[in-house]
Amino acid sequence: DAMVIQNPRYQVTQFGKPVTLSCSQTLNHNVMYWYQQKSSQAPKLLFHYYDKDFNNEADTPDNFQSRRPNTSFCFLDIRSPGLGDAAMYLCATSRGVGMTGWLNTEAFFGQGTRLTVV
Amino acid sequence: AQTVTQSQPEMSVQEAETVTLSCTYDTSENNYYLFWYKQPPSRQMILVIRQEAYKQQNATENRFSVNFQKAAKSFSLKISDSQLGDTAMYFCATEASGSRLTFGEGTQLTVNP
Repeated sequence: DAMVIQNPRYQVTQFGKPVTLSCSQTLNHNVMYWYQQKSSQAPKLLFHYYDKDFNNEADTPDNFQSRRPNTSFCFLDIRSPGLGDAAMYLCATSRGVGMTGWLNTEAFFGQGTRLTVV
Repeated sequence: AQTVTQSQPEMSVQEAETVTLSCTYDTSENNYYLFWYKQPPSRQMILVIRQEAYKQQNATENRFSVNFQKAAKSFSLKISDSQLGDTAMYFCATEASGSRLTFGEGTQLTVNP
């Protein structure tokens, strides 16, 4: 049974045209992450939510935004996609515990959305 | 800050043989976790094995085991009796309190029949 679902699997967007990627989870995890993974590279964390608290990585461009309307859903918005934003985008969830939300359980990943910018 | 280094971009092994993937890391934290994740061609990342830094005993999960050398900051993954389904990209990762998962660059493992 799918636990972290990303839609769509493949997304083609035009240069500069806003695009939204979605992620849903059935695990009731309180932490959700968005990673960007370019070909043959390690996943790079863009930001994460601990419950409703948004945590942006220092080097994430302003072009990337996120929304989490409820526990189950999280969206990645790219306001003006450039050619350099073409990548696989991975959503992950975990059960964060403790005051810092330290991950001590595994992260569950979705299958990813491959974004192409034309 | 944490860094993870995987020095083997690609490896191959014959089916049923044993292979070891290398990983070194650097962290200033005393308490942290180490992970190996597997990303098959379908691209869904799944956890292979996890090691808690305060535990001296090496973690084992069926055919997968680790050699954790804390002083050397080394965390290698051994796959025994390799199977065709083990073909994937393997990522070493670490996480410490207040910090998120930091991944290495990955090792592409191919199991040959």
